[in-house]
Amino acid sequence: TQLLEQSPQFLSIQEGENLTVYCNSSSVFSSLQWYRQEPGEGPVLLVTVVTGGEVKKLKRLTFQFGDARKDSSLHITAAQPGDTGLYLCAGGDSNYQLIWGAGTKLIIKP
Amino acid sequence: EPEVTQTPSHQVTQMGQEVILRCVPISNHLYFYWYRQILGQKVEFLVSFYNNEISEKSEIFDDQFSVERPDGSNFTLKIRSTKLEDSAMYFCASMVTAATPGNEQFFGPGTRLTVL
Repeated sequence: TQLLEQSPQFLSIQEGENLTVYCNSSSVFSSLQWYRQEPGEGPVLLVTVVTGGEVKKLKRLTFQFGDARKDSSLHITAAQPGDTGLYLCAGGDSNYQLIWGAGTKLIIKP
Repeated sequence: EPEVTQTPSHQVTQMGQEVILRCVPISNHLYFYWYRQILGQKVEFLVSFYNNEISEKSEIFDDQFSVERPDGSNFTLKIRSTKLEDSAMYFCASMVTAATPGNEQFFGPGTRLTVL
């Protein structure tokens, strides 16, 4: 059974600080996606990484896929209150399903 | 920008009743999914659907669940006899094709199902 462990589960920091969220597995994934979910809404796709070692940037967010395609990280620089939300990683398997992490609840305090 | 839509946004039902959750995937997408998320828990895969048939289903997707694509645009999830533990957010998602790099799935806003 493929599992994705996300850490930390909860993070509360001050505006302007940097943070990193991790997504780890013992399994290899064909791709890894990061989503953001607001309460009562569906997950919104932020980025997809498919190549080992790939780095993608989305404004202040930097996503990295591990060389072995077993792990990924999301780094936010100079966090803002608007970054507050639940961040989910999901790994794509060979059957086109997504295996989900439990999420990181991020709170950025003004 | 095209998006996945779901109706209703909130469904309240009595235990034992049947419910049908509806989804309209993005029009040129070929793979369709249902997921559920119990409050405070992780998103769980229920079923995937391709070429008018189920391609994969999870242990959660037992005989009380069924899916259908009745008219080429709607994609429905039916729960025949609801239980209290079926209370959750149900998300529909769609994907263009299997050739899409990264298997990007796009999610609808969800239907909150409350079973009383």
